[in-house]
Amino acid sequence: NAGVTQTPKFRVLKTGQSMTLLCAQDMNHEYMYWYRQDPGMGLRLIHYSVGEGTTAKGEVPDGYNVSRLKKQNFLLGLESAAPSQTSVYFCASSPRVNWNTIYFGEGSWLTVV
Amino acid sequence: SQQGEEDPQALSIQEGENATMNCSYKTSINNLQWYRQNSGRGLVHLILIRSNEREKHSGRLRVTLDTSKKSSSLLITASRAADTASYFCATDASSSNTGKLIFGQGTTLQVKP
Repeated sequence: NAGVTQTPKFRVLKTGQSMTLLCAQDMNHEYMYWYRQDPGMGLRLIHYSVGEGTTAKGEVPDGYNVSRLKKQNFLLGLESAAPSQTSVYFCASSPRVNWNTIYFGEGSWLTVV
Repeated sequence: SQQGEEDPQALSIQEGENATMNCSYKTSINNLQWYRQNSGRGLVHLILIRSNEREKHSGRLRVTLDTSKKSSSLLITASRAADTASYFCATDASSSNTGKLIFGQGTTLQVKP
């Protein structure tokens, strides 16, 4: 039981490049989330999903897209990376029944130069 | 926008002392949670207190909630060096049960051995 797994853990991108962060959870959770964490700030919700095939915008969705084609996976895409997207990205999941308790991945460090 | 504001931003104490962190928020909430983050790691759920609760205990952790003042505190008793981490409060104010949390900026706790 690995919990929430994020790949890659580290990545350096050039401005304008695209990439996809993969999040996988093996807890059969219905809800999944993508957050970003910047220095001196708490986590901010980018996008979330309440089930397979559904996605919704969070607090800071601009510049990102997401997809939830399979229940266990939640992908975060950057179509044209910008230096402002340099951040640590956290994926999380929670079950519908006890949706209050959220399980986080270990984070993905992304630098856009 | 940040719902939770935490105080202090940084706290340094000696092992064995108690550590108190405070969190204030702006809107009505369903519940408030505290998370811990070790350096370079993901967040770990510590405790949840519902809006109709005033105090909750879990091991060496004690959380209080004052909805009239829109504030919460986390007390760690008899601190240990292993408690060194950042602590975040997170509020759930959504009308739908989706686990959309809004995080504070965090308190960085250093416990000196």
